[in-house]
Amino acid sequence: NAGVTQTPKFQVLKTGQSMTLQCAQDMNHEYMSWYRQDPGMGLRLIHYSVGAGITDQGEVPNGYNVSRSTTEDFPLRLLSAAPSQTSVYFCASSQTRTGYTFGSGTRLTVV
Amino acid sequence: EDQVTQSPEALRLQEGESSSLNCSYTVSGLRGLFWYRQDPGKGPEFLFTLYSAGEEKEKERLKATLTKKESFLHITAPKPEDSATYLCAVLREYGNKLVFGAGTILRVKS
Repeated sequence: NAGVTQTPKFQVLKTGQSMTLQCAQDMNHEYMSWYRQDPGMGLRLIHYSVGAGITDQGEVPNGYNVSRSTTEDFPLRLLSAAPSQTSVYFCASSQTRTGYTFGSGTRLTVV
Repeated sequence: EDQVTQSPEALRLQEGESSSLNCSYTVSGLRGLFWYRQDPGKGPEFLFTLYSAGEEKEKERLKATLTKKESFLHITAPKPEDSATYLCAVLREYGNKLVFGAGTILRVKS
């Protein structure tokens, strides 16, 4: 039982490049979400999903896309990376919205 | 709009010196208030969920309490290993979005 697995752990992108951050959970959780964490601003919700095939926007969705084709996977796509997207990204999952399990994060730098 | 404010931003304690962290919140119908611990370079680790005013939960040296407007995380006789960032978050009754505060950085010196 690995919990929530995020890959890669570190990534450097050039402005304008695209990439996908991977998130997988093996707990059969319905709810999955993506957050970004910036110094002094706490965790901010990017996108979330309440089940396979269902996604919705969070607080800061611009520049990011998501899809949920399976219960286990919830990838986050950066369409055209910008320096403002330099951040630490966390994926989280929950079955009953009573306790979210977070991954270990992806540290992204856009130069 | 749901809001969470944590204070203080940073707290330095001597080992054994008890104190409290505050989480003030504004939410339209509270489903739950969550406390997390985050160590440097790692993801948040779930500590407690509180559902209604008056509820209390304990885990080792930590005790979380909840009122209608705020939550406290009491740390009794802290040890250096309690050093971390403590995050508070709220979930609205019919929503799916956790809203986080900016966190309190706790340093416990021996």
